[in-house]
Amino acid sequence: DPKIIQKPKYLVAVTGSEKILICEQYLGHNAMYWYRQSAKKPLEFMFSYSYQKLMDNQTASSRFQPQSSKKNHLDLQITALKPDDSATYFCASRGTISNERLFFGHGTKLSVL
Amino acid sequence: GDSVTQTEGPVTVSESESLIINCTYSATSIAYPNLFWYVRYPGEGLQLLLKVITAGQKGSSRGFEATYNKETTSFHLQKASVQESDSAVYYCALGYGNEKITFGAGTKLTIKP
Repeated sequence: DPKIIQKPKYLVAVTGSEKILICEQYLGHNAMYWYRQSAKKPLEFMFSYSYQKLMDNQTASSRFQPQSSKKNHLDLQITALKPDDSATYFCASRGTISNERLFFGHGTKLSVL
Repeated sequence: GDSVTQTEGPVTVSESESLIINCTYSATSIAYPNLFWYVRYPGEGLQLLLKVITAGQKGSSRGFEATYNKETTSFHLQKASVQESDSAVYYCALGYGNEKITFGAGTKLTIKP
């Protein structure tokens, strides 16, 4: 059974709309992340949270807002969607031991028309 | 910032042949980074394949090997004899402690039976 659940698996949206990508982890981790990958580009770091607090933000646009309502949740709200936002969004988590590996969800593939 | 460059895919190799996926990195810190290979099998999330945290050391897993070469800033992934089950997307990555991990674009590998 997957320990990091991302919903939905596929998402189609129209330009200008708003969507929320869901991520829940059942690994007991305190650190959660969002990454994004567009076609032919590196898997790009977006945000990291630790104990529900923002630790690092590499996303220039304020249209991307993480939301952590519970310790094991880190959703991603995207407003005013653009076609360039089309990508697969991956949620990840890890424990607090140094050099511990990341565990990833299966991703949400977002297409903005 | 940090960056990772790896063999551009897709790569197709016949079963039982040897494989090398090249990876070079550029790190901004004076400290040596930890280096990783992650893999995403069809229908699954990314998972750690192997990691090396000490320059000059070799990591291995599932018949794959990678050696941390700080002189050439490389971490190439090799396997002597691939199997059909090795078909996946492979990502080279670097990181420091529990800070964010920087990934390459991924290399899609297909093994021909």
